[in-house]
Amino acid sequence: GESVGLHLPTLSVQEGDNSIINCAYSNSASDYFIWYKQESGKGPQFIIDIRSNMDKRQGQRVTVLLNKTVKHLSLQIAATQPGDSAVYFCAEKPGYGGATNKLIFGTGTLLAVQP
Amino acid sequence: DTEVTQTPKHLVMGMTNKKSLKCEQHMGHRAMYWYKQKAKKPPELMFVYSYEKLSINESVPSRFSPECPNSSLLNLHLHALQPEDSALYLCASSQVGARTDTQYFGPGTRLTVL
Repeated sequence: GESVGLHLPTLSVQEGDNSIINCAYSNSASDYFIWYKQESGKGPQFIIDIRSNMDKRQGQRVTVLLNKTVKHLSLQIAATQPGDSAVYFCAEKPGYGGATNKLIFGTGTLLAVQP
Repeated sequence: DTEVTQTPKHLVMGMTNKKSLKCEQHMGHRAMYWYKQKAKKPPELMFVYSYEKLSINESVPSRFSPECPNSSLLNLHLHALQPEDSALYLCASSQVGARTDTQYFGPGTRLTVL
């Protein structure tokens, strides 16, 4: 299940199940989006990205969906494994000039994979 | 190779100490970044260097002083820090110019200020 509160939002899934992590982004002018995975004690690791002229992009076991109408991004992980346990951050790049190198991060979701 | 390296991995310092964090990348990226990350929070941007020049300073206190000696290296000089500055400091790098330049992160330096 998924919980939101004073702690980091957490999604618990069984090993082998599919996971869906959601993200609401803030800026309708954002034109590039990235998902990062951050394991405990490590830096964020790039997983997959998508440009605003696309609504779906697939990688190895991962799919990102973009719905610009409702400013929503999701990351789907197929056949979730214990090694997928981590905090997942979405990030958007605002489409306004002068700050093309700036990323805005979402609050993050902790994915806990139960064996 | 998408590796960004950071040293040291851990750092403990007193409020009167002066220390430096170091970051290095060999991907030919011309943009480099410093982020601060508190536990269970997303990374917060501190500084951006583009072509070795400071392009973004997110109103960071002057006790943090960035330096970009060349296109591969990025330093963060620390002086008179406060205990609330304890955090994970992340370095990242990216290409410059394209709208889809991905930022690649290093493993971070875990800083504790006593």
